[in-house]
Amino acid sequence: GAVVSQHPSWVICKSGTSVKIECRSLDFQATTMFWYRQFPKQSLMLMATSNEGSKATYEQGVEKDKFLINHASLTLSTLTVTSAHPEDSSFYICSARDAGLPQTTNEKLFFGSGTQLSVL
Amino acid sequence: DQQVKQNSPSLSVQEGRISILNCDYTNSMFDYFLWYKKYPAEGPTFLISISSIKDKNEDGRFTVFLNKSAKHLSLHIVPSQPGDSAVYFCAASFTGTASKLTFGTGTRLQVTL
Repeated sequence: GAVVSQHPSWVICKSGTSVKIECRSLDFQATTMFWYRQFPKQSLMLMATSNEGSKATYEQGVEKDKFLINHASLTLSTLTVTSAHPEDSSFYICSARDAGLPQTTNEKLFFGSGTQLSVL
Repeated sequence: DQQVKQNSPSLSVQEGRISILNCDYTNSMFDYFLWYKKYPAEGPTFLISISSIKDKNEDGRFTVFLNKSAKHLSLHIVPSQPGDSAVYFCAASFTGTASKLTFGTGTRLQVTL
C-alpha cells in the first residue's frame, strides 16, 4: 500500500523555538496533503489543507502565521510551528491523497505515523 | 462541538466473538462515513466506508451499519482476532469535500485470547 512518511515521530523543544515537521509521500504523488492535530482525549482535528504550489487553506481558528505550511513538491509538505508554546503541545499528523485517484475517494487518504510535540 | 462521538473509549472482546464499535454523529448533512484502524506508532489506515444511500456495507469480517434516523453507525468485526487489537476511529464527511473528515475520539479494542 501507499506510504506516507512523517518525521520526526516525537520532538521536545523549548518555548519560543520553532519546530518543523515533514510529511512525505514515498510512492505516489500528492497534490493535496492535510494536517491534523489531536489533543489528549480529543479527536483528530483538521488544521489545514496543503496544496502543492499554492497557499494552504486553514480551518477556522487555526493561526496561519503560527502554523506555516509549505508544499513545494508533489511528495513533500512541511508544517512549521513557530514560536512554540506549551499549549501547542499536541499530536500532529499528516495525510496525503494520491493524485492519481478520484478526488472524491476519501478512503484513499494515507496517513503518516504522527509527531508528538512537547513544548517545555 | 464534537460532531462525531465515540462514547466508548475502550472495549475488550474475547477472540472469536463479535466486536461492536459504535459511533454517533450530530450533523445530518454528513453523507459519507469511514472507519480507520490505528496501531501504535503508525498512522490510521482505512478500513471500511459507507455512503448514506446504504444502510450496510460488508467487507470480509468487517461490516458497517448506518442508521440515518438515529445518526448512528456501528462497526461489527466477526470473528474478532488478536490482530484486530487497535484503536478504531470513525469519521464523517460530505460528498464532494473528500478532504474534510470529522473524526471521533476513537475506541481502543483489545481482543483477548
